[in-house]
Amino acid sequence: DVQLVESGGGLVQPGGSLRLSCAASGFTFSRHWMHWVRQAPGKGLVWVSRIRGDGNTGSYADSVKGRFTISRDNAKNTLYLEMNSLRVDDTSVYYCVREGAYFDGSGNVLYYYGLDVWGQGTTVTVSS
Amino acid sequence: QSVLTQPPSASATPGQRVTISCSGSRSNVGSNFVYWYQQLPGTAPKFLIYRNNQRPSGVPDRFSGSKSGTSASLVISGLRSEDEADYYCATWDDKLSAWVFGEGTKLSVL
Repeated sequence: DVQLVESGGGLVQPGGSLRLSCAASGFTFSRHWMHWVRQAPGKGLVWVSRIRGDGNTGSYADSVKGRFTISRDNAKNTLYLEMNSLRVDDTSVYYCVREGAYFDGSGNVLYYYGLDVWGQGTTVTVSS
Repeated sequence: QSVLTQPPSASATPGQRVTISCSGSRSNVGSNFVYWYQQLPGTAPKFLIYRNNQRPSGVPDRFSGSKSGTSASLVISGLRSEDEADYYCATWDDKLSAWVFGEGTKLSVL
């Protein structure tokens, strides 16, 4: 079964740091773009960041640019999100999400089909 | 305020049909595929519709999606009590270089 399991959330003071992890299983992790999406209490979904399968390209929402860093270890099938200078408005459930893709026999992407697999989420609370 | 506009709420009775709209612009809905997600209370979002109108395996054919221009719609037919959830549309925005989500529509099954 395809599975994503996040960990590392917790309570942190404003200005503090936290590192989230996401363990992937059941698929060829290195082939897929991976994303972080967050959801503040009682609010909607907000995209945070993404990273390419080889780890060489990433991008961020403006609200976290310069404070958050996405990375991955394909040998460990694990995605990370390093969060620094945390603010109260970063308080959210953080979801690790796979971007689905169809591949040809050589492993080349034929097409992408969206953010298809979601973890259960890990809660980050920023408060003094 | 989200880039994609959804009605905050919708309601219908069991067996009825309900439509949830998602309005965007040329840089997002107008240029890219639209995706829909269902989020039951206290759970992670579930992949519901991809590439405007395709259903992942396991999603009942009561759920259908469509897109025209800069707007998209999710239709749920034969409404059931277990369909009561929040529904989000999503797409890539070429101008923002970011994935964008609608603010979500809370569906009540009366």
